[in-house]
Amino acid sequence: DVKVTQSSRYLVKRTGEKVFLECVQDMDHENMFWYRQDPGLGLRLIYFSYDVKMKEKGDIPEGYSVSREKKERFSLILESASTNQTSMYLCASSPLSEQYFGPGTRLTVT
Amino acid sequence: AQSVTQLDSQVPVFEEAPVELRCNYSSSVSVYLFWYVQYPNQGLQLLLKYLSGSTLVKGINGFEAEFNKSQTSFHLRKPSVHISDTAEYFCAVGESGYSTLTFGKGTMLLVSP
Repeated sequence: DVKVTQSSRYLVKRTGEKVFLECVQDMDHENMFWYRQDPGLGLRLIYFSYDVKMKEKGDIPEGYSVSREKKERFSLILESASTNQTSMYLCASSPLSEQYFGPGTRLTVT
Repeated sequence: AQSVTQLDSQVPVFEEAPVELRCNYSSSVSVYLFWYVQYPNQGLQLLLKYLSGSTLVKGINGFEAEFNKSQTSFHLRKPSVHISDTAEYFCAVGESGYSTLTFGKGTMLLVSP
């Protein structure tokens, strides 16, 4: 079974802090994704990566950056957290078509 | 550009009744289609997928979906729901040869006794 893990299930940070969300997959997938999920808005793609050190902007990249130094690990960085980044963050990996999701990190920025 | 419309934000239904969750998509190219389920405070789990071949696709937990190219639809059905099917369901479309997916806004299925 594919396993995608995320470093924290719940996280509380203060405005202005730098926040790192980590995602690890164990299936040697080329592609990895970061989404945020908000009520009524569904899933919105922040960034994705199709190879080590490669990244592409998704639909809502503003205020975020990413890092992929190893194939299995994809990090999402909030350079200076703001209250409007309070959300559920979901990581996924994919060989090509279907995506496999981690359990999510619920981030609250106060 | 692709888009996905899930026509109902909530679908209330009684236990053991049939249910259909509707999904329409727009795309100008060959597509892959998916249904995912999300239980409270969890990630998304793949229910079923259409990549090619038979237009009737069976998935886990007794769900099935039918790909209708002429109507650009991929509706999800179950003949008899259980309380444990209460969850949010997401339809997604991908383009053949690419890994990104476009998701609908979700449909909350509420099953009551």
